[in-house]
Amino acid sequence: RKEVEQDPGPFNVPEGATVAFNCTYSNSASQSFFWYRQDCRKEPKLLMSVYSSGNEDGRFTAQLNRASQYISLLIRDSKLSDSATYLCVVFYNKLVFGAGTILRVKS
Amino acid sequence: NAGVTQTPKFQVLKTGQSMTLQCAQDMNHEYMSWYRQDPGMGLRLIHYSVGAGITDQGEVPNGYNVSRSTTEDFPLRLLSAAPSQTSVYFCASTPRLGSGYNEQFFGPGTRLTVL
Repeated sequence: RKEVEQDPGPFNVPEGATVAFNCTYSNSASQSFFWYRQDCRKEPKLLMSVYSSGNEDGRFTAQLNRASQYISLLIRDSKLSDSATYLCVVFYNKLVFGAGTILRVKS
Repeated sequence: NAGVTQTPKFQVLKTGQSMTLQCAQDMNHEYMSWYRQDPGMGLRLIHYSVGAGITDQGEVPNGYNVSRSTTEDFPLRLLSAAPSQTSVYFCASTPRLGSGYNEQFFGPGTRLTVL
């Protein structure tokens, strides 16, 4: 079983839609959680950290469910510029990256 | 600040050749690492360094060497290139690695093809 698993997608959504991604992790002792964004043929960049109480940054909301060992990312009012691959990242002594979920926002 | 820089951006090697991928950062970060990214797989850690003079193996170290003689530079050496090393290589740095603070700053990547 992979340490961090994500649905690869692609998720094809129209502009303005709400879309959600889940990510599951296998190590219950994992300490920190993040979402990174990676544009095509570019380097990953931190989108947001995920806190136990859940957190929001504009149109993006991240949630953590430690009991079920998953984190989620919700994007509201999708923009064309949100098209990218979203990487789930989990930390326990080292960072472990998921393979990513592809999002395509269409006009 | 230039951030994290990598050279070259693209490279084609023949099987058995050796080469060094360069990585430098100007943010005075202690922690640096090398990842490879293959289709359908997450970034996998090759080697990392917690400071000048200290390196350690990651998840997939075979066929690669690193050194860290200065805080700024962290080159990755391919000893004898194999087609299985065809990948995109990212160098990353962070001020420190620990619970609650792990933003990695990535370089633009090196796309390597081994024929």
